[in-house]
Amino acid sequence: QTVVTQEPSLTVSPGETVTITCASSTGAVTRGYYPNWFQQKPGQAPRALIYSTTNKHSWTPARFSGSLLGGKAALTLSGVQPEDEAEYYCLLYYANAYVFGTGTKVTVL
Amino acid sequence: EVQLVGSGGGLVQPGGSLRLSCAASGFTFSSYWMHWVRQAPGKGLVWVSRVNSDGSFTTYADSVKGRFTISRDNAKNTLYLQMDSLRAEDTAVYYCARVTVTSDLVVFDYWGQGTLVTVSS
Repeated sequence: QTVVTQEPSLTVSPGETVTITCASSTGAVTRGYYPNWFQQKPGQAPRALIYSTTNKHSWTPARFSGSLLGGKAALTLSGVQPEDEAEYYCLLYYANAYVFGTGTKVTVL
Repeated sequence: EVQLVGSGGGLVQPGGSLRLSCAASGFTFSSYWMHWVRQAPGKGLVWVSRVNSDGSFTTYADSVKGRFTISRDNAKNTLYLQMDSLRAEDTAVYYCARVTVTSDLVVFDYWGQGTLVTVSS
């Protein structure tokens, strides 16, 4: 069974930069896994942030960026704002199925 | 405005069945892949199933294969998830999501608000 692993939790101060990574149990994550990233706040549906590794949606704030880093997909928040406190999930494509990451709770203190 | 409105959730006994719907508006429904994703209470997101734009191709997570059936009616702009032989572990909020697929891109963009399914006696 394929497992996609993220940091369980990260704490950051306003204005700082934080990076969330997304690792696959099958090996290095490449563009062919088409990484997507989502933000979810309590009681709300997920909101799409990044698609196919690096691409932003029209509504994605400029401070969010996606990349590949050391064999993992990565989501970087540069200049974190209090409203960025949320759960973040990556999603990877594996042939005939998709697998979500385990989720990262970002706390802004 | 793109809208995805889920419905059909509720309380069902173990072994029972339920059909979820996701009504789409504000875009050309027949041009997009559609997916179902679920989230058990207090847990993470789990991908469930997908269907291509004309309904001819479907795939499922192993946990629901053989019990759930995804389908769509492009004339009614509606996505469905038929859930049979339900188990307690199927209890979750079920979300529908719109997806664009090209040779270079996979784009999850719009999501429904979710509908809660509770499997309990």
